[in-house]
Amino acid sequence: SQELEQSPQSLIVQEGKNLTINCTSSKTLYGLYWYKQKYGEGLIFLMMLQKGGEEKSHEKITAKLDEKKQQSSLHITASQPSHAGIYLCGVRGSQGNLIFGKGTKLSVKP
Amino acid sequence: NAGVTQTPKFRILKIGQSMTLQCAQDMNHNYMYWYRQDPGMGLKLIYYSVGAGITDKGEVPNGYNVSRSTTEDFPLRLELAAPSQTSVYFCASIGRLNTEAFFGQGTRLTVV
Repeated sequence: SQELEQSPQSLIVQEGKNLTINCTSSKTLYGLYWYKQKYGEGLIFLMMLQKGGEEKSHEKITAKLDEKKQQSSLHITASQPSHAGIYLCGVRGSQGNLIFGKGTKLSVKP
Repeated sequence: NAGVTQTPKFRILKIGQSMTLQCAQDMNHNYMYWYRQDPGMGLKLIYYSVGAGITDKGEVPNGYNVSRSTTEDFPLRLELAAPSQTSVYFCASIGRLNTEAFFGQGTRLTVV
């Protein structure tokens, strides 16, 4: 079965600093989703990447898909306290299942 | 346009009781999913469906059942509740274009 590994598991950064979160799949990626979850709340859709080399941005968040490495990276520029939360990557398997990694917990110190 | 609607939002069950978590979407999405999320953990896939009449097991199906008689509804059934099923449950759906997986607001279930 396909597995997703996110790194790091948790991250504490100073406000204003840049950071990167990685998501690596054990199998071929057919589409990768990034979500943010605030503590105790639902999931907020960030973006979805479908093709190798694809890069998308939303405000100060940029995600890129490296098909050969079976990996996606999420980069936040000039982090703010509002970026704090849990970032989850998800991937669709060939049979239509949608699985997620364990998440990366981000804390931003003012 | 309500998106994905889950009910109830909160529920406390006694060990051995049964209940159904409701999930409905009004976007005519083919794919629907049920997840559980335990504290500090990611989302674990319980069951999923690629269309009406079709369901498949996910990573953690034991203790649960689902049905998909219509495109809109995908209820999750707990037959004999156990403390290990205390969790937050999320339902999600994806359309044919697969550009976004919409999530419900979650159901917080406690089994005592």
